[in-house]
Amino acid sequence: GEDVEQSLFLSVREGDSSVINCTYTDSSSTYLYWYKQEPGAGLQLLTYIFSNMDMKQDQRLTVLLNKKDKHLSLRIADTQTGDSAIYFCAAHTGRRALTFGSGTRLQVQP
Amino acid sequence: DTGVSQDPRHKITKRGQNVTFRCDPISEHNRLYWYRQTLGQGPEFLTYFQNEAQLEKSRLLSDRFSAERPKGSFSTLEIQRTEQGDSAMYLCASSLMGSTATEAFFGQGTRLTVV
Repeated sequence: GEDVEQSLFLSVREGDSSVINCTYTDSSSTYLYWYKQEPGAGLQLLTYIFSNMDMKQDQRLTVLLNKKDKHLSLRIADTQTGDSAIYFCAAHTGRRALTFGSGTRLQVQP
Repeated sequence: DTGVSQDPRHKITKRGQNVTFRCDPISEHNRLYWYRQTLGQGPEFLTYFQNEAQLEKSRLLSDRFSAERPKGSFSTLEIQRTEQGDSAMYLCASSLMGSTATEAFFGQGTRLTVV
């Protein structure tokens, strides 16, 4: 089945760019998602990319997809303290449900 | 309708007791999912409904777990004879079949603690 991997932790300074990386194993994944989870809260859908796209930009967020290497990244420009959270990468294949990574904790230092 | 709502938000129960959680999806969404999230992990799929039909169940869903969506609207997840290993956040999500990205919107979750 699908396996999704992420690095566990990233620390950046306020105003810098953050890049969170994710790899997945199932090349038939059709949609790839980024979710944000703040302490004690549910998951907030940030953005997604369809597998036939290389890049998607949405305000401060840029998603890059390298389908050959099965690598996905989320870039947050001008990172703010309010961006501190856990970010989950998720893949959707033929199954109806999503497969999530373990999450990357982003810490933004003032 | 502002999103997916789950009730209760927190539940503490003694080992061996039964618990039931409720999820109300976004009203026009016909797909409903249950996930379990343990500390430090991403959500893991438990089961999925399309309208009232339960179409898929994960191997994580033991015989002690049962989920229903009787009228294709709200859903309940029951855990019988709870064990300490059932302690987790139980997340519900809904989506609309036929939407371009099948994006799932999540509720705030029910945090279960089995003591």
